[in-house]
Amino acid sequence: KQEVTQIPAALSVPEGENLVLNCSFTDSAIYNLQWFRQDPGKGLTSLLLIQSSQREQTSGRLNASLDKSSGRSTLYIAASQPGDSATYLCAVKNQGGKLIFGQGTELSVKP
Amino acid sequence: DVKVTQSSRYLVKRTGEKVFLECVQDMDHENMFWYRQDPGLGLRLIYFSYDVKMKEKGDIPEGYSVSREKKERFSLILESASTNQTSMYLCASSLTAGNTIYFGEGSWLTVV
Repeated sequence: KQEVTQIPAALSVPEGENLVLNCSFTDSAIYNLQWFRQDPGKGLTSLLLIQSSQREQTSGRLNASLDKSSGRSTLYIAASQPGDSATYLCAVKNQGGKLIFGQGTELSVKP
Repeated sequence: DVKVTQSSRYLVKRTGEKVFLECVQDMDHENMFWYRQDPGLGLRLIYFSYDVKMKEKGDIPEGYSVSREKKERFSLILESASTNQTSMYLCASSLTAGNTIYFGEGSWLTVV
């Protein structure tokens, strides 16, 4: 059974820092991996989607990498801003089509 | 932009009531999903659908049913609401299995 883990559960950084969020999964037979952002009380906003054949994806200050063999993905955020404060979730889609989520990392960027 | 709309943001229902949560997407997506999100448990898949009139059970289907009569609309039904179904419910859609998944804003359901 696929399990997705995100460590740390919470992270606080000063504005301007570069940071890395981690996601690990137990079964490497994935279809794709997606990173989301969730603001309090709101739905999820898709940030980046990495197909199983890809190594990384970039969007603006965000860069996501995927290493299937080690069961890991990272989300790199450059020059963090207070507006980046949110919970970040990763989710893997397995071959059966189900999307399985991690518990998320709650990020706080202090001005 | 893709828009996934959940018609009710906040609902309060009584135990035993039948509850309908409606979700509509405007991008002709094939796949639609219903999740619930609870503190400490994360997002859990209730049901999903790959096509009109087609449905598949997720990880926690007990106490729920779904309906997809039209491609753009996916309804979640609580046949007899119970207090342990108090939660935030999230609807999502994607064009196909390999594409980005888009979520609605969520529906907060309280069962008293």
